[in-house]
Amino acid sequence: EAQVTQNPRYLITVTGKKLTVTCSQNMNHEYMSWYRQDPGLGLRQIYYSMNVEATDKGDVPEGYKVSRKEKRNFPLILESPSPNQTSLYFCASSLFGGGDYGYTFGSGTRLTVV
Amino acid sequence: SQELEQSPQSLIVQEGKNLTINCTSSKTLYGLYWYKQKYGEGLIFLMMLQKGGEEKSHEKITAKLDEKKQQSSLHITASQPSHAGIYLCGADPTSGTYKYIFGTGTRLKVLA
Repeated sequence: EAQVTQNPRYLITVTGKKLTVTCSQNMNHEYMSWYRQDPGLGLRQIYYSMNVEATDKGDVPEGYKVSRKEKRNFPLILESPSPNQTSLYFCASSLFGGGDYGYTFGSGTRLTVV
Repeated sequence: SQELEQSPQSLIVQEGKNLTINCTSSKTLYGLYWYKQKYGEGLIFLMMLQKGGEEKSHEKITAKLDEKKQQSSLHITASQPSHAGIYLCGADPTSGTYKYIFGTGTRLKVLA
């Protein structure tokens, strides 16, 4: 089944403790992206990647890092999480960015930083 | 920068009623996407519009893009409880960037 898999689905952590949210897709998609979703603010793009070793900042990149060493994986790293990073995170992928089939989204990771 | 504004922000309708959700862009749209999200879950792609005046349908959901390519509407005919959720529009970026953007969403509740 074609899908984007995020892990974990839920995570509670403490301020300053480094964490990684994994994202993997099995569709050979070129484009991958991370979003955070907050009430009243909609989906905001954190980072995106056009291909292996090609990443760029979205609208809210501060406090996040990403890497794209393999086509299928695009992990999101929070080096020193803070409470304002409490949010619902989504990873998405597409063949070339949008197109006739849109993006395929993961099921989301609900992160709470205390 | 380009922004997408959705209206209404929330909507409660009786089962069987028709409804329309609007998405307005501050700039010309090169590609407009509609997604549905169940609360707390991932987004499901519904359809994509690209040409001015284009209209697409999927089951009881019809989406249109106006001729000027700055506004899209999503129309649900004879709504059902299964239509409940959050509907988001998304747009291809303006040329030269890869920053795909989304509206803030319309929360739909359908009363049985």
